[in-house]
Amino acid sequence: SAVISQKPSRDICQRGTSLTIQCQVDSQVTMMFWYRQQPGQSLTLIATANQGSEATYESGFVIDKFPISRPNLTFSTLTVSNMSPEDSSIYLCSVSGQETQYFGPGTRLLVL
Amino acid sequence: AQTVTQSQPEMSVQEAETVTLSCTYDTSESNYYLFWYKQPPSRQMILVIRQEAYKQQNATENRFSVNFQKAAKSFSLKISDSQLGDTAMYFCAFMRLLNAGNNRKLIWGLGTSLAVNP
Repeated sequence: SAVISQKPSRDICQRGTSLTIQCQVDSQVTMMFWYRQQPGQSLTLIATANQGSEATYESGFVIDKFPISRPNLTFSTLTVSNMSPEDSSIYLCSVSGQETQYFGPGTRLLVL
Repeated sequence: AQTVTQSQPEMSVQEAETVTLSCTYDTSESNYYLFWYKQPPSRQMILVIRQEAYKQQNATENRFSVNFQKAAKSFSLKISDSQLGDTAMYFCAFMRLLNAGNNRKLIWGLGTSLAVNP
């Protein structure tokens, strides 16, 4: 299985600001995914990020709010832009490998 | 569209006993994967077990096993000899097989919160 790290592990931010979350994998992977998990909820897929192409966003998520970069096969970033308290969530990255998805430890975001 | 249903929001079990978590799903696909993930208070999402739909044999990982009933679209998780460390949120998930490996989205249930009591 892949080893995935995320930075930061948690943050407290002011509304109107932006936060960039980094996801690093210890092996090359084609597909990376970004999820949001609101308090007490299941996971919601934000977008799929393939290296060398634009991210594919799910319904309800837009690039202006959640821009994603995927510069190489081991790294991706998700930016949460112009944050509001409703963006307070855990953000998780995951990778697809061997017919399974593996997850990073998550970034816990609180927006005041 | 695929859906995953976990009908038990909360469950509890005594340490060393056995508990079964339920999951049903709806799909018209014939080839897919099913998963159980565990999310302890640390919030790390951990793969517990995976089942390929084309396999009739139920998957087993140590104390964790599944009862996969393809015709009934049921995929329950049995935890034997429950331990305090099994206390977590458990999510059932479904993955289609699209385009020979690309775009593997997971469809998630709402989760079951399991408490293992000493």
